[in-house]
Amino acid sequence: DTGVSQNPRHKITKRGQNVTFRCDPISEHNRLYWYRQTLGQGPEFLTYFQNEAQLEKSRLLSDRFSAERPKGSFSTLEIQRTEQGDSAMYLCASSLGGKTQYFGPGTRLLVL
Amino acid sequence: KQEVTQIPAALSVPEGENLVLNCSFTDSAIYNLQWFRQDPGKGLTSLLLIQSSQREQTSGRLNASLDKSSGRSTLYIAASQPGDSATYLCAPGRNSGYALNFGKGTSLLVTP
Repeated sequence: DTGVSQNPRHKITKRGQNVTFRCDPISEHNRLYWYRQTLGQGPEFLTYFQNEAQLEKSRLLSDRFSAERPKGSFSTLEIQRTEQGDSAMYLCASSLGGKTQYFGPGTRLLVL
Repeated sequence: KQEVTQIPAALSVPEGENLVLNCSFTDSAIYNLQWFRQDPGKGLTSLLLIQSSQREQTSGRLNASLDKSSGRSTLYIAASQPGDSATYLCAPGRNSGYALNFGKGTSLLVTP
């Protein structure tokens, strides 16, 4: 399968803990996006990379959130000092330039 | 800020009917527009991509149109099947960075 993959698929953590999610994009795609989706809502943009450069961050991405894409391949999204409001599905997508964005299956985070 | 509205929020039809899902957006300065389907608890599956210079795209039983100047797109599904039951999401892409803005979606149920 050469689609976008995300790990872990599910994560349960206690408030105040740090969590890290990984996204592996389609191999030739230079753009990688992170979105967050809460129940009953459409996904909301968080940040995106072109190759290894992080070019835009949404206001939703507080300073507790950090994302990296070393070497322009996989990406990680870390949330420090998690809060219950961070509970959501975290979605990763990749694309070649401005073409179709392909989404991964998501990581569902529950903060207790 | 781009606002995306999808009407109706929910729709139930008998198998075999043709149906139209509507999407409107407030900022017509878009790069492209994607339609996705999302099954419960899953990631997003891309259905169609329309570039801003195009008026429509077709894939199988699906046809999407775009009227960029009026901020509208429609997704037409012909001869609906129970397997089409899902949430359909409309997402215009920004000119800068191509990040997608999503509506809340239309929840479709096709009954046998």
